[in-house]
Amino acid sequence: GENVEQHPSTLSVQEGDSAVIKCTYSDSASNYFPWYKQELGKRPQLIIDIRSNVGEKKDQRIAVTLNKTAKHFSLHITETQPEDSAVYFCAATRNQFYFGTGTSLTVIP
Amino acid sequence: DAGVIQSPRHEVTEMGQEVTLRCKPISGHNSLFWYRQTMMRGLELLIYFNNNVPIDDSGMPEDRFSAKMPNASFSTLKIQPSEPRDSAVYFCASSHAHYEQYFGPGTRLTVT
Repeated sequence: GENVEQHPSTLSVQEGDSAVIKCTYSDSASNYFPWYKQELGKRPQLIIDIRSNVGEKKDQRIAVTLNKTAKHFSLHITETQPEDSAVYFCAATRNQFYFGTGTSLTVIP
Repeated sequence: DAGVIQSPRHEVTEMGQEVTLRCKPISGHNSLFWYRQTMMRGLELLIYFNNNVPIDDSGMPEDRFSAKMPNASFSTLKIQPSEPRDSAVYFCASSHAHYEQYFGPGTRLTVT
């Protein structure tokens, strides 16, 4: 099956700085890579996703990049704000979703 | 659309009791997933259905857990008998064609 590794497990940044979270996957057949944000006590919510035929996708302050050859993808958050503080999960999927272990992001005002 | 609906939102029960969690997926979605989330083990896939058929139940911890999807708009996850180590947040999620999976609000289960 698929194996998704996510780094770092915790990340602290100053407000206004950028944050980068990286994931690797093992199954070259995986073709869809979503990112979820989970605030404390809430459900995971889809914030951005990318399909295997695209190398980069951007939505305002967040972007995702995908390197199929190296089998890794990354989430980039620019101009971070305190409300970006949450746990972020990556996932790789072909049929079912394989989630990373999560990154706890803290944005320090 | 109301999104994925789960009930109950909170459940407190005593060890040995039967627990039934319910889920209504988003209309038109053909895949449904049950997850368990704990601090120690993170987000674990328990089972997923495609077109109401169980496809992969390898994540179901043991025979005490069972899941059904009798129709496209309803699924249950049952634990019988429940144990304290089953305490967790259980999420149901649905998607169409394996993309854009949406989570329900979760059921927080506490087994004493």
